[in-house]
Amino acid sequence: RKEVEQDPGPFNVPEGATVAFNCTYSNSASQSFFWYRQDCRKEPKLLMSVYSSGNEDGRFTAQLNRASQYISLLIRDSKLSDSATYLCVVNVDNNNDMRFGAGTRLTVKP
Amino acid sequence: DAMVIQNPRYQVTQFGKPVTLSCSQTLNHNVMYWYQQKSSQAPKLLFHYYDKDFNNEADTPDNFQSRRPNTSFCFLDIRSPGLGDAAMYLCATSREAGGDEQFFGPGTRLTVL
Repeated sequence: RKEVEQDPGPFNVPEGATVAFNCTYSNSASQSFFWYRQDCRKEPKLLMSVYSSGNEDGRFTAQLNRASQYISLLIRDSKLSDSATYLCVVNVDNNNDMRFGAGTRLTVKP
Repeated sequence: DAMVIQNPRYQVTQFGKPVTLSCSQTLNHNVMYWYQQKSSQAPKLLFHYYDKDFNNEADTPDNFQSRRPNTSFCFLDIRSPGLGDAAMYLCATSREAGGDEQFFGPGTRLTVL
């Protein structure tokens, strides 16, 4: 089993749609969780951290389910500019090892 | 203002010819990372430094080495590049250990002929 697994995608949605991505992790000792966004041929950039209580930033909502070992990202009212690859990142054992998922590609169409 | 800088942005080398990629940061972060990312794949951690302490991933080939002469700079040396080493190499920093946000440089795209 991979340490971090994501929905394979790609997700193709119309503008204004709501889309959700899931990410599962294998190490129950994982402490920190993040969603990064990576545009084509660019570096990853932090979208949001994921807190135990769940957190929201505008149209983006992240949730953590420790019992089932997954995190989710919900995007409401999708914009064309949301088109990117979304990477799930998990910090293993609270050290410096950050494990990336393979990413889920989202394309928002007019 | 650039915070994590990588040079060169594009590097072409020949099979077996050593190459060095560089990374510098203006954030004064303690941790610096090197990742390898191939097309449509996740960034794969090669190694990282916490200050001067070097941490190698178990599956990083011996062909890859790293140096961190000071807080600001970190280098990735590929001693004998093979065709399979063609990839994007990403440098990242974080302020502290334990899952702090990582700041990535723009990457160096390596081509091996």
